[in-house]
Amino acid sequence: DAKTTQPPSMDCAEGRAANLPCNHSTISGNEYVYWYRQIHSQGPQYIIHGLKNNETNEMASLIITEDRKSSTLILPHATLRDTAVYYCIVKPPERDDKIIFGKGTRLHILP
Amino acid sequence: DVKVTQSSRYLVKRTGEKVFLECVQDMDHENMFWYRQDPGLGLRLIYFSYDVKMKEKGDIPEGYSVSREKKERFSLILESASTNQTSMYLCASSPYGQGIGKNIQYFGAGTRLSVL
Repeated sequence: DAKTTQPPSMDCAEGRAANLPCNHSTISGNEYVYWYRQIHSQGPQYIIHGLKNNETNEMASLIITEDRKSSTLILPHATLRDTAVYYCIVKPPERDDKIIFGKGTRLHILP
Repeated sequence: DVKVTQSSRYLVKRTGEKVFLECVQDMDHENMFWYRQDPGLGLRLIYFSYDVKMKEKGDIPEGYSVSREKKERFSLILESASTNQTSMYLCASSPYGQGIGKNIQYFGAGTRLSVL
């Protein structure tokens, strides 16, 4: 599976948009980008995924660059409950086995 | 909503005890997984199962076994608990063949196990 690079931590003011970057320069053509988050003392939670088009759901938006070498997860109106570690993962669709979580980005939402 | 339930949030056991960690999912998922999470090491896959009575070793199966007698239940067994098995244990499930692009696993809340 391709590796990803994320900043170790970020701060965001409550109510503002949180933009979390991820680099995946070695991504293969059939690999999707997935985002999960882990709130303290809980299990990871799936957020969103995409291949090459921008995606949006009730939790977040995912922007993938045209060359697919990087992506940005956007939480449009961050709240204190969004404080968590966010993981960016790339994976081919046919693999039904483990997810390799890197170190992720620790997002602090500031009141 | 998918629900993955782990039987205990916190567990304290003694060295040498046999420990059972239970996980139940209510969405008829084929795939189930056991991970452990340790500071600085991230999540590591212990075992996974694609179907009833089937199991596959993950990255760190030593010291563990699993049981999947029913589709909804996946048990992790520590045959003889040791202090280096003190960790957060996470169970996950996913439906087989979710379709293109969907490698989505649903996680339980975790069991924090302390072996003394």
